[in-house]
Amino acid sequence: NAGVTQTPKFRILKIGQSMTLQCTQDMNHNYMYWYRQDPGMGLKLIYYSVGAGITDKGEVPNGYNVSRSTTEDFPLRLELAAPSQTSVYFCASSKQGAWGNTIYFGEGSWLTVV
Amino acid sequence: KNEVEQSPQNLTAQEGEFITINCSYSVGISALHWLQQHPGGGIVSLFMLSSGKKKHGRLIATINIQEKHSSLHITASHPRDSAVYICAAASNTGNQFYFGTGTSLTVIP
Repeated sequence: NAGVTQTPKFRILKIGQSMTLQCTQDMNHNYMYWYRQDPGMGLKLIYYSVGAGITDKGEVPNGYNVSRSTTEDFPLRLELAAPSQTSVYFCASSKQGAWGNTIYFGEGSWLTVV
Repeated sequence: KNEVEQSPQNLTAQEGEFITINCSYSVGISALHWLQQHPGGGIVSLFMLSSGKKKHGRLIATINIQEKHSSLHITASHPRDSAVYICAAASNTGNQFYFGTGTSLTVIP
């Protein structure tokens, strides 16, 4: 079972470059999330989506963009990368949001901006 | 102030010891999740509970809704239990999860 798949696993970016983190889930989940995890901090919500065509900002959306054209895919776009965006990024999904639903995570993407 | 607080932040135990990790939350929840994160790896869900107690193998999770507190217990700990354990509160508004900062557990043989 694939579950939540995110790519790439590792990436080094130069300041000012842009890139897209890809995320796909095959569980027909409506809710998808992007989190970042910094050392010593809890997971912080960047953006989330409650279904195709609907996205909303989380706690730390600045410097990021998302789109949700299909139920399966929820890519995260980093524009003009900055060192503050060095982090581990996790994509996640759940069937119907936080209400009594298990949340499934991807394997994580380690991003370094130099 | 974080919506979810975990303690301890770090924990070292000898193999075979009984381990307890605590989680307190301040938001209204629909459920409380315990997650496990191995070094360099992804995050997997261990438990989701909204009342009482759940058991899976050597792991036991409990929740006290009135006190807004949950605990994760590991009986007869083993080095393969070494990981970061994360408590997450599923908000009762339906959209969001709030995460603790995690407890890093090391079990020494």
